[in-house]
Amino acid sequence: EDKVVQSPLSLVVHEGDTVTLNCSYEVTNFRSLLWYKQEKKAPTFLFMLTSSGIEKKSGRLSSILDKKELSSILNITATQTGDSAIYLCAVPSNSGYALNFGKGTSLLVTP
Amino acid sequence: NAGVMQNPRHLVRRRGQEARLRCSPMKGHSHVYWYRQLPEEGLKFMVYLQKENIIDESGMPKERFSAEFPKEGPSILRIQQVVRGDSAAYFCASSPNSQSEAFFGQGTRLTVV
Repeated sequence: EDKVVQSPLSLVVHEGDTVTLNCSYEVTNFRSLLWYKQEKKAPTFLFMLTSSGIEKKSGRLSSILDKKELSSILNITATQTGDSAIYLCAVPSNSGYALNFGKGTSLLVTP
Repeated sequence: NAGVMQNPRHLVRRRGQEARLRCSPMKGHSHVYWYRQLPEEGLKFMVYLQKENIIDESGMPKERFSAEFPKEGPSILRIQQVVRGDSAAYFCASSPNSQSEAFFGQGTRLTVV
């Protein structure tokens, strides 16, 4: 059965800290891994990773995939209170249609 | 280009009533996905539709739940005879094809009283 596990489940940091969120997966036919940020409502798309070792970057956020280790990390540098959210990792199922989501990492950035 | 639009944002139904949740995908997107998020749970896939076709409904409960995506108009997720356990946030996502990233709507929070 496909599985996506995120760690830690929750994290509290101070503004300015750097955080690393982890996602590991087990899937029959790997195609890609996606990161989303969920604040109060809609998950918003962050990154889609398909190739191992190639870092994707957007401002203070970056992510990289390690296919050998079946995992990905999401880094946030110089955190701000606006980064407080649940960060979701997802991997398409074997059918390719459904996204299997992890339970998320709840990040709280305190002033 | 408006994002994925869902309505209503909040819906309260009494047990036994019907709930209808609507989703208009992003312009140019013909693939629609419905997910359910229960309290303290992750997002769970329910159904995947293309225009006029249900492609994968493996995540949908066999009874009381149905979905459609007509040629004209929004996708509808319909829940008949709602029960308390149906209370959840229901998210719709759309993509231009099955290989691209999906973009999510704001969700409909259903409360069954």
